[in-house]
Amino acid sequence: GAGVSQTPSNKVTEKGKYVELRCDPISGHTALYWYRQSLGQGPEFLIYFQGTGAADDSGLPNDRFFAVRPEGSVSTLKIQRTERGDSAVYLCASSREGFDTGELFFGEGSRLTVL
Amino acid sequence: DAKTTQPPSMDCAEGRAANLPCNHSTISGNEYVYWYRQIHSQGPQYIIHGLKNNETNEMASLIITEDRKSSTLILPHATLRDTAVYYCIVRGGWGKLQFGAGTQVVVTP
Repeated sequence: GAGVSQTPSNKVTEKGKYVELRCDPISGHTALYWYRQSLGQGPEFLIYFQGTGAADDSGLPNDRFFAVRPEGSVSTLKIQRTERGDSAVYLCASSREGFDTGELFFGEGSRLTVL
Repeated sequence: DAKTTQPPSMDCAEGRAANLPCNHSTISGNEYVYWYRQIHSQGPQYIIHGLKNNETNEMASLIITEDRKSSTLILPHATLRDTAVYYCIVRGGWGKLQFGAGTQVVVTP
């Protein structure tokens, strides 16, 4: 079946612009996670949704970052007033919380470059 | 969640077993040990997890010491496709997985 899909795969933008990154989780997965990964580092947690609500947003670095999941499926990560330091690969994952195997299924990521 | 310590890198010969250590000395009783790997330019991939018993699946084996303060991931017959960064993560309950820097494993012919 289809895995986690992320779009766009690559995004180049200018400093100060607004960016949206989309994640389509595996059908039926109630939990959705956003991570970002800088070169040479492990993925850094940003936010976790259980259904439509953000169960844990402790990883969002500041108020320029926001994520939504209005219908409990697709999620959008929104970054306002982008800065060069936001350049990273943004990873989305989903899982069947409620059957906690701890197995998160990751997408291929969206590579964001802020010039 | 407890922190983990892994060596930054290790090499392994193709066809040999790769034994990847992880220290998690502050693990608590309800925390599981998870292993993921990340092949270059791909998202992380789940490998295996366990609580206190040793676990085996089609990808690997997980050996957890009796005191649960450390574990070893075993890839029984390493192939070139096993070259990746391997992450050992400890988590209690549900919610986020906290990734560290992992171990860069290079399998050589």
